[in-house]
Amino acid sequence: EPEVTQTPSHQVTQMGQEVILRCVPISNHLYFYWYRQILGQKVEFLVSFYNNEISEKSEIFDDQFSVERPDGSNFTLKIRSTKLEDSAMYFCASTGQGYGYTFGSGTRLTVV
Amino acid sequence: RKEVEQDPGPFNVPEGATVAFNCTYSNSASQSFFWYRQDCRKEPKLLMSVYSSGNEDGRFTAQLNRASQYISLLIRDSKLSDSATYLCVTTRGATNKLIFGTGTLLAVQP
Repeated sequence: EPEVTQTPSHQVTQMGQEVILRCVPISNHLYFYWYRQILGQKVEFLVSFYNNEISEKSEIFDDQFSVERPDGSNFTLKIRSTKLEDSAMYFCASTGQGYGYTFGSGTRLTVV
Repeated sequence: RKEVEQDPGPFNVPEGATVAFNCTYSNSASQSFFWYRQDCRKEPKLLMSVYSSGNEDGRFTAQLNRASQYISLLIRDSKLSDSATYLCVTTRGATNKLIFGTGTLLAVQP
Protein backbone atom coordinates (compact mmCIF):
# COMPACT_ATOMS: atom_id res chain seq x y z
CA GLU A 1 0.00 0.00 0.00
CA PRO A 2 1.38 3.45 -0.92
CA GLU A 3 2.70 5.50 1.99
CA VAL A 4 3.45 9.08 2.87
CA THR A 5 7.00 9.16 4.18
CA GLN A 6 8.26 11.73 6.68
CA THR A 7 11.80 12.40 7.83
CA PRO A 8 13.23 12.72 10.36
CA SER A 9 11.02 10.89 12.83
CA HIS A 10 12.38 13.02 15.68
CA GLN A 11 14.20 16.34 15.54
CA VAL A 12 15.64 18.25 18.48
CA THR A 13 16.63 21.85 17.83
CA GLN A 14 17.63 24.90 19.78
CA MET A 15 15.29 27.84 20.06
CA GLY A 16 15.89 30.30 17.25
CA GLN A 17 17.26 27.71 14.83
CA GLU A 18 15.73 26.89 11.47
CA VAL A 19 14.31 23.44 10.86
CA ILE A 20 13.12 21.73 7.71
CA LEU A 21 10.69 18.85 7.96
CA ARG A 22 10.51 16.60 4.93
CA CYS A 23 7.71 14.62 3.39
CA VAL A 24 7.33 12.43 0.33
CA PRO A 25 3.63 12.31 -0.57
CA ILE A 26 2.03 9.52 -2.57
CA SER A 27 3.13 9.96 -6.15
CA ASN A 28 -0.23 10.37 -7.89
CA HIS A 29 -1.75 12.59 -5.19
CA LEU A 30 -2.29 16.24 -6.00
CA TYR A 31 -3.13 17.92 -2.68
CA PHE A 32 -0.63 18.19 0.16
CA TYR A 33 -1.09 19.28 3.73
CA TRP A 34 0.74 19.89 6.98
CA TYR A 35 -0.96 19.43 10.33
CA ARG A 36 0.48 19.68 13.80
CA GLN A 37 -0.45 18.23 17.18
CA ILE A 38 0.90 19.71 20.38
CA LEU A 39 1.20 17.03 23.08
CA GLY A 40 -2.18 16.39 24.67
CA GLN A 41 -4.03 18.63 22.24
CA LYS A 42 -6.00 18.18 19.03
CA VAL A 43 -4.62 17.85 15.52
CA GLU A 44 -4.62 21.30 13.86
CA PHE A 45 -4.52 22.27 10.19
CA LEU A 46 -1.53 24.37 9.17
CA VAL A 47 -1.49 24.65 5.39
CA SER A 48 -2.69 23.08 2.15
CA PHE A 49 -0.76 23.10 -1.12
CA TYR A 50 -2.02 22.46 -4.63
CA ASN A 51 -0.62 23.12 -8.07
CA ASN A 52 2.66 24.38 -6.63
CA GLU A 53 1.15 27.03 -4.42
CA ILE A 54 -0.46 27.46 -1.03
CA SER A 55 -4.22 27.09 -1.37
CA GLU A 56 -5.13 27.77 2.26
CA LYS A 57 -3.32 28.45 5.52
CA SER A 58 -4.39 28.75 9.13
CA GLU A 59 -3.70 31.51 11.65
CA ILE A 60 -0.92 29.34 13.07
CA PHE A 61 0.93 29.44 9.73
CA ASP A 62 2.58 32.84 10.19
CA ASP A 63 5.65 34.32 8.52
CA GLN A 64 7.92 31.92 10.40
CA PHE A 65 6.52 29.03 8.36
CA SER A 66 6.96 28.23 4.70
CA VAL A 67 6.30 25.24 2.45
CA GLU A 68 7.95 24.15 -0.73
CA ARG A 69 7.79 21.39 -3.29
CA PRO A 70 11.35 21.66 -4.58
CA ASP A 71 11.10 18.72 -6.97
CA GLY A 72 8.49 16.27 -8.15
CA SER A 73 8.50 14.19 -4.99
CA ASN A 74 9.41 16.15 -1.84
CA PHE A 75 7.19 18.49 0.14
CA THR A 76 8.88 20.44 2.92
CA LEU A 77 7.83 22.55 5.88
CA LYS A 78 10.37 25.11 7.08
CA ILE A 79 10.21 26.90 10.41
CA ARG A 80 12.56 29.86 10.21
CA SER A 81 13.25 30.65 13.85
CA THR A 82 11.85 28.02 16.16
CA LYS A 83 10.13 28.84 19.44
CA LEU A 84 9.51 26.59 22.41
CA GLU A 85 5.82 26.51 21.52
CA ASP A 86 6.62 25.00 18.11
CA SER A 87 7.34 21.71 19.88
CA ALA A 88 4.77 19.29 18.50
CA MET A 89 4.17 16.33 16.19
CA TYR A 90 4.01 17.51 12.60
CA PHE A 91 2.03 15.34 10.20
CA CYS A 92 2.20 15.54 6.43
CA ALA A 93 -0.77 14.27 4.42
CA SER A 94 -1.75 13.94 0.80
CA THR A 95 -4.93 13.26 -1.15
CA GLY A 96 -5.84 12.78 -4.77
CA GLN A 97 -9.00 13.04 -6.83
CA GLY A 98 -11.30 10.38 -5.42
CA TYR A 99 -8.75 9.36 -2.81
CA GLY A 100 -9.01 9.91 0.91
CA TYR A 101 -6.34 11.35 3.12
CA THR A 102 -3.14 9.45 3.79
CA PHE A 103 -1.07 10.69 6.71
CA GLY A 104 2.63 10.21 7.24
CA SER A 105 3.86 8.83 10.55
CA GLY A 106 4.91 12.28 11.70
CA THR A 107 7.98 14.17 12.84
CA ARG A 108 8.27 14.90 16.54
CA LEU A 109 9.88 18.33 16.87
CA THR A 110 11.36 19.27 20.22
CA VAL A 111 12.59 22.83 20.66
CA VAL A 112 14.91 23.33 23.63
CA ARG B 1 -16.54 27.52 21.11
CA LYS B 2 -14.69 24.57 19.60
CA GLU B 3 -15.76 23.71 16.07
CA VAL B 4 -15.84 19.98 16.81
CA GLU B 5 -16.59 18.90 20.37
CA GLN B 6 -16.14 15.50 21.94
CA ASP B 7 -16.21 14.08 25.44
CA PRO B 8 -12.49 13.49 26.17
CA GLY B 9 -13.18 10.43 28.33
CA PRO B 10 -11.48 8.21 29.26
CA PHE B 11 -14.01 5.49 28.66
CA ASN B 12 -12.91 2.40 30.54
CA VAL B 13 -14.90 -0.64 29.39
CA PRO B 14 -14.51 -4.41 29.74
CA GLU B 15 -13.84 -6.60 26.74
CA GLY B 16 -17.07 -7.44 24.94
CA ALA B 17 -18.84 -4.25 25.99
CA THR B 18 -20.68 -1.90 23.65
CA VAL B 19 -19.51 1.70 23.81
CA ALA B 20 -20.88 4.83 22.15
CA PHE B 21 -19.10 8.09 21.38
CA ASN B 22 -20.79 11.35 20.51
CA CYS B 23 -19.60 14.44 18.77
CA THR B 24 -21.13 17.78 17.83
CA TYR B 25 -19.96 20.28 15.25
CA SER B 26 -20.77 23.97 15.18
CA ASN B 27 -20.17 24.96 11.56
CA SER B 28 -23.12 24.18 9.31
CA ALA B 29 -20.80 24.55 6.30
CA SER B 30 -19.04 21.31 7.28
CA GLN B 31 -19.07 19.05 4.28
CA SER B 32 -17.87 15.55 5.10
CA PHE B 33 -17.61 13.62 8.33
CA PHE B 34 -15.30 10.93 9.58
CA TRP B 35 -14.15 8.95 12.56
CA TYR B 36 -10.40 8.52 12.83
CA ARG B 37 -8.47 6.40 15.26
CA GLN B 38 -5.18 7.55 16.79
CA ASP B 39 -2.83 5.38 18.79
CA CYS B 40 -0.44 7.04 21.23
CA ARG B 41 2.09 9.26 19.38
CA LYS B 42 1.03 7.87 16.00
CA GLU B 43 -0.68 9.40 13.00
CA PRO B 44 -4.48 9.52 12.72
CA LYS B 45 -5.89 6.65 10.68
CA LEU B 46 -9.29 6.68 9.00
CA LEU B 47 -11.75 4.38 10.73
CA MET B 48 -14.82 5.18 8.67
CA SER B 49 -16.72 7.88 6.85
CA VAL B 50 -20.07 8.96 8.30
CA TYR B 51 -23.27 9.41 6.31
CA SER B 52 -26.78 10.60 7.17
CA SER B 53 -28.14 7.19 6.21
CA GLY B 54 -25.84 5.58 8.77
CA ASN B 55 -23.16 3.11 7.91
CA GLU B 56 -21.72 0.00 9.42
CA ASP B 57 -18.32 -1.66 9.12
CA GLY B 58 -18.16 -4.87 11.09
CA ARG B 59 -18.44 -4.00 14.78
CA PHE B 60 -18.50 -0.25 14.08
CA THR B 61 -21.59 1.81 13.27
CA ALA B 62 -21.54 5.52 12.54
CA GLN B 63 -24.40 7.98 12.22
CA LEU B 64 -24.74 11.61 11.18
CA ASN B 65 -27.62 13.92 12.06
CA ARG B 66 -27.18 17.10 10.01
CA ALA B 67 -30.19 18.83 11.57
CA SER B 68 -28.75 18.64 15.07
CA GLN B 69 -25.10 18.66 13.87
CA TYR B 70 -24.39 15.48 15.75
CA ILE B 71 -22.19 12.49 14.89
CA SER B 72 -22.00 9.17 16.70
CA LEU B 73 -19.87 6.05 16.73
CA LEU B 74 -20.93 2.75 18.24
CA ILE B 75 -18.43 -0.04 18.88
CA ARG B 76 -19.89 -3.45 19.65
CA ASP B 77 -18.06 -6.38 21.27
CA SER B 78 -15.04 -4.26 22.24
CA LYS B 79 -11.60 -5.82 21.83
CA LEU B 80 -8.40 -4.95 23.67
CA SER B 81 -7.04 -3.75 20.32
CA ASP B 82 -9.79 -1.11 20.13
CA SER B 83 -7.99 0.84 22.88
CA ALA B 84 -7.06 4.16 21.26
CA THR B 85 -8.22 7.76 20.92
CA TYR B 86 -11.19 8.21 18.58
CA LEU B 87 -11.23 11.47 16.68
CA CYS B 88 -14.35 13.06 15.27
CA VAL B 89 -13.41 14.92 12.09
CA THR B 90 -15.20 17.18 9.61
CA THR B 91 -14.04 18.84 6.43
CA ARG B 92 -14.61 22.39 5.34
CA GLY B 93 -13.58 24.71 2.55
CA ALA B 94 -12.45 24.31 -1.02
CA THR B 95 -9.20 22.69 0.10
CA ASN B 96 -11.00 19.95 2.00
CA LYS B 97 -9.01 20.61 5.16
CA LEU B 98 -9.76 18.39 8.13
CA ILE B 99 -11.14 19.86 11.36
CA PHE B 100 -10.42 17.57 14.30
CA GLY B 101 -12.07 17.17 17.66
CA THR B 102 -9.87 16.68 20.69
CA GLY B 103 -10.62 12.97 20.70
CA THR B 104 -12.17 10.47 23.09
CA LEU B 105 -9.86 8.03 24.82
CA LEU B 106 -11.07 4.44 24.98
CA ALA B 107 -9.40 1.87 27.24
CA VAL B 108 -10.71 -1.68 26.88
CA GLN B 109 -9.88 -3.76 29.93
CA PRO B 110 -9.36 -7.55 29.96
